[in-house]
Amino acid sequence: QVQLQESGPGLVKPSETLSLTCTVSDGAISNYHWSWIRQSPGKGLEWIGCIPRSGSTNYNPSLKSRVTISVDTSKSQFSLRLSSVTAADTAIYYCAGDRNSIIWSFYWGQGTMVTVSS
Amino acid sequence: EIVLTQSPGTLSLSPGERATLSCRASQSVGSFSLAWYQHKSGQAPRLLIWGAFNRAAGIPDRFSGSGSGTDFTLTISRLEPEDFAVYYCQQPGTFGGGTKVEIK
Repeated sequence: QVQLQESGPGLVKPSETLSLTCTVSDGAISNYHWSWIRQSPGKGLEWIGCIPRSGSTNYNPSLKSRVTISVDTSKSQFSLRLSSVTAADTAIYYCAGDRNSIIWSFYWGQGTMVTVSS
Repeated sequence: EIVLTQSPGTLSLSPGERATLSCRASQSVGSFSLAWYQHKSGQAPRLLIWGAFNRAAGIPDRFSGSGSGTDFTLTISRLEPEDFAVYYCQQPGTFGGGTKVEIK
């Protein structure tokens, strides 16, 4: 059973860059497709972006100019960077993945709360 | 951009009852592209259905998915106490707004 664990600062200042890492228990990280999803307080799930096995990233058009997703196979991790954050980026951030599909995710992290505040 | 609209927003039912959740897309979605998740507060979302009608590993057979084109349905045949949660449909790049299934 693949396990995912998000890590990163719980508090980020406005205009700064949010950086999160997802550590994957399965060493064969390159065999999976990976995604980031978030949930703002009181709202539903929002897809942020993904990085398929091919390595060609796709991002939510509303966030595209600020988002970067990357994979570090040597550390069995993949990462999210979101620049120029505002209070609207306050959310629980989930990393997720699937061996067979980039569309849906069977494996999920427990989520990490990130607050944007000065 | 395809928009997914879920209805109803809230479904109030009793354990043992049947739940029928709708997900409507603003344009046709490939059936293979539609998934359903269950989400409980404080937990990670759980994949229930992939490809519109395939149950994910470990999902009880009281959960079933159907539909094609722009109209998809998640059915829970007999609600168990642990099924009260928020349910989301998803197609590539988008989630629906969710349906909360609450105890009546």
